[in-house]
Amino acid sequence: DIVMTQTPLSLSVTPGQPASISCKSSQSLLYSDGKTYLYWYLQKTGQPPQLLIYEVSNRFSGVPDRFSGSGSGTDFTLKISRVEPEDVGVYYCMQSIQLRPTFGGGTKVEIK
Amino acid sequence: EVQVLESGGGLVQPGGSLRLSCGASGFTFNNCAMSWVRQAPGMGLEWVSGISGSGSSTYYADSVKGRFTISRDNSKDTLYLQMNSLRAEDTAVYYCARDISMIVVRAFDIWGQGTMVTVSS
Repeated sequence: DIVMTQTPLSLSVTPGQPASISCKSSQSLLYSDGKTYLYWYLQKTGQPPQLLIYEVSNRFSGVPDRFSGSGSGTDFTLKISRVEPEDVGVYYCMQSIQLRPTFGGGTKVEIK
Repeated sequence: EVQVLESGGGLVQPGGSLRLSCGASGFTFNNCAMSWVRQAPGMGLEWVSGISGSGSSTYYADSVKGRFTISRDNSKDTLYLQMNSLRAEDTAVYYCARDISMIVVRAFDIWGQGTMVTVSS
């Protein structure tokens, strides 16, 4: 299985400041169809995860434009341009190039 | 409203069985692949199993292969997870999730609130 490694484990951010989370995969996530199957989720406390970004850089419906995704191959980044209090929670990256998705270990984002 | 709702969780002894159900509403169920994703207490997310929209293709994580069976009844808009030979390490909240794909396991845009499964004597 593909191993997804996220850094940092946790992040404490002042509201209005940017935040960045890294995700590295043990194999390239670029598929033969030209798509890269890398996704980002946010899980707020006591809630199920919610999809933020699909295929590296596409914001899912309703996701604010302060969230952006980038990267290629095995290295990916989620950026929040200006962190808001409602952005707290645990962020997960996930790959599905193989038909058995695997998640990163998660990055907990807190507000200072 | 588009939603999925899990049921069937509970306390079961090691070696026992449990069947989870997930009812879907607000969308064309047989147009969507579906998955089960679990989360052990205080831990991260683990994909467990997925099934295509027609039900003809199923996928399993190595950790549950041979013990769990995913199925669906498209006439009832319901997804199932039959869990046998349960172990303590299967203890988790089990989420039902709708896939953005019809055929394969890709990504999950609609999640239920989850149902807790506890395996303990």
